[in-house]
Amino acid sequence: AQTVTQSQPEMSVQEAETVTLSCTYDTSESDYYLFWYKQPPSRQMILVIRQEAYKQQNATENRFSVNFQKAAKSFSLKISDSQLGDAAMYFCAYRSFNSGGSNYKLTFGKGTLLTVNP
Amino acid sequence: GAGVSQSPSNKVTEKGKDVELRCDPISGHTALYWYRQRLGQGLEFLIYFQGNSAPDKSGLPSDRFSAERTGESVSTLTIQRTQQEDSAVYLCASSLAPTPRGNTIYFGEGSWLTVV
Repeated sequence: AQTVTQSQPEMSVQEAETVTLSCTYDTSESDYYLFWYKQPPSRQMILVIRQEAYKQQNATENRFSVNFQKAAKSFSLKISDSQLGDAAMYFCAYRSFNSGGSNYKLTFGKGTLLTVNP
Repeated sequence: GAGVSQSPSNKVTEKGKDVELRCDPISGHTALYWYRQRLGQGLEFLIYFQGNSAPDKSGLPSDRFSAERTGESVSTLTIQRTQQEDSAVYLCASSLAPTPRGNTIYFGEGSWLTVV
């Protein structure tokens, strides 16, 4: 079974600065997906960024980028030019690419609470 | 609707009572998921529906938990004889039919259940 570990329960960053959230995972599969979700106080999980394991290029979405190290099974999220609206719980998640199996299940880490200081 | 809609938003119930949580997926989404989020924890998979296929109930924690979905519309998650450890946020999500390369999963705002 896959596991996802987020070792930072809480992080803080000054507005306009850069912060990196860590995520490691364990899997025996070679093809899979990794995600970062944001959960603001409204509780709705919002997809921030997605990475496909077969792609070597790190995914980028505006101020959000990832550092995907497949051999190290590491998937960190970098938020540049942090804004007050970035304050939320951030979850790292894994999904298998398995055409014959349960490729619909997401396995989540426990989350990192990000505080943005003005 | 525009997004995944869940009700009630918050529910406080007495231990031993039954509760029913409702999820209205995005129109056209054939796949529907229920997850549970306990305080300080990540999301745990509960159940998955895809079209008319048999649901994947492998994540349901006990036989007190059940879920139904009629066709590709509303789903209800029922918890019988609630216990304090059932207190959590129950999140529903929907997507187009999963493919090997995946489809984006959209979450609702969850139903916060407190068992006293």
